[in-house]
Formats: sequence, C-alpha cells, structure tokens
Amino acid sequence: DGGITQSPKYLFRKEGQNVTLSCEQNLNHDAMYWYRQDPGQGLRLIYYSQIVNDFQKGDIAEGYSVSREKKESFPLTVTSAQKNPTAFYLCASCNAVQTEAFFGQGTRLTVV
Amino acid sequence: KQEVTQIPAALSVPEGENLVLNCSFTDSAIYNLQWFRQDPGKGLTSLLLIQSSQREQTSGRLNASLDKSSGRSTLYIAASQPGDSATYLCAVAPLTGTASKLTFGTGTRLQVTL
Repeated sequence: DGGITQSPKYLFRKEGQNVTLSCEQNLNHDAMYWYRQDPGQGLRLIYYSQIVNDFQKGDIAEGYSVSREKKESFPLTVTSAQKNPTAFYLCASCNAVQTEAFFGQGTRLTVV
Repeated sequence: KQEVTQIPAALSVPEGENLVLNCSFTDSAIYNLQWFRQDPGKGLTSLLLIQSSQREQTSGRLNASLDKSSGRSTLYIAASQPGDSATYLCAVAPLTGTASKLTFGTGTRLQVTL
C-alpha cells in the first residue's frame, strides 16, 4: 500500500525547543516537499528536495531545517528560531516525470 | 511571482445540484494544474491533474477544465452529494524546473446540504 506517512499526527512544543516532524514515502518518488498551512492562507513552501543529499529553501525557510539522507525520508526540524510555529504541516512527494503531487495526512504542531 | 486565486471562498448548495468552482492564476507559463480535496484536519487528496497541453480531465462526477491563455481553471461537480463537502484547492506547477513546486490557492469550502 503505497503512500506518504507523516508522524506524529499531533505535536506539542514548548518555547525554546526544537522538534522534528517525520515524513516517509514508499512511492519511489525523487522529489519531496514540506508545506505549512495556516487558516485563511494557501499552503506555503518551506523546503523541497529533488534528490538525495540535496535540498533547497522555499518561500518561508527561516527557522526550519531539513535533511535528505535517504530517498524515502525527508524530516523537518522546527527550531527555536521559528517564532510562530503553530500550524498544520504537510509533506508531499512527486514523480519528477509526471509531477503529480501526493500528500501525507499532516502534523498539527502547537506551541504550549 | 505566480498568484492563485479561488472564488468563492465558501459555497453552500443543496444535494443534487451541479456546481462550478473557479481557480485563476496570474502567470500562464505553467507545467500543469492540479485540483485537490481537503477534509477538516486531513491532508490533501489529488482529484485531477491537467497538463498544460490539455483542455480538460474527467474523473467520475468531476470535470476540470483549463484555459491557460486566460489563466483560468474550473472544477465542475455534477449531482453533488453531502460527501462532497470539503475544501477544494487548486495548485499550479511552474513551467521551469524538473519537479513541481506548487503554488496554491486558498481554497473553496464547499458544503452540500440535505
């Protein structure tokens, strides 16, 4: 059963903490993406990776970091430098040839 | 910079009605356009993908059209059902680049009432 798995579904962060959101795909897609969704706004791109060991900043990369050590995995770390991290985070992947994007079920991050 | 707009922001229709959701984009240099459905608190589900060379795509009761020159796409839902209630998002992929870097609209929240 192919797809994208995000974990955890809910995550709570204390002030000053770093937290890591997991994203795993078994679709054999080269490209992976992290988006942030806030109420009333469209999805905004945080980081993306087109190949293992390479990634690029999106439109709102400040306060976030990523790694791409394996094709299947693209974890996102929300650092203490991100001043307003409360949001819904979505991971996506796509086949570079067809470029149809598939999404995970999201992680809701809340600062407590 | 590409901007994507979806109108209306919210729509309520009675069950059985046919309806049209609109998506407009400012830069016609797109690779494709994709329509998604999002249920509350969930991820996005891909509904239809239209390549820039295509005019429309159909899947069941859904039909999406693309007019690249005017920067518009519509999603037509026939014989709406309460289960169609969700937020519908459109997204465009740029012409340049080997993988899609999507720009999203803010969505249309659809409610189908009994």
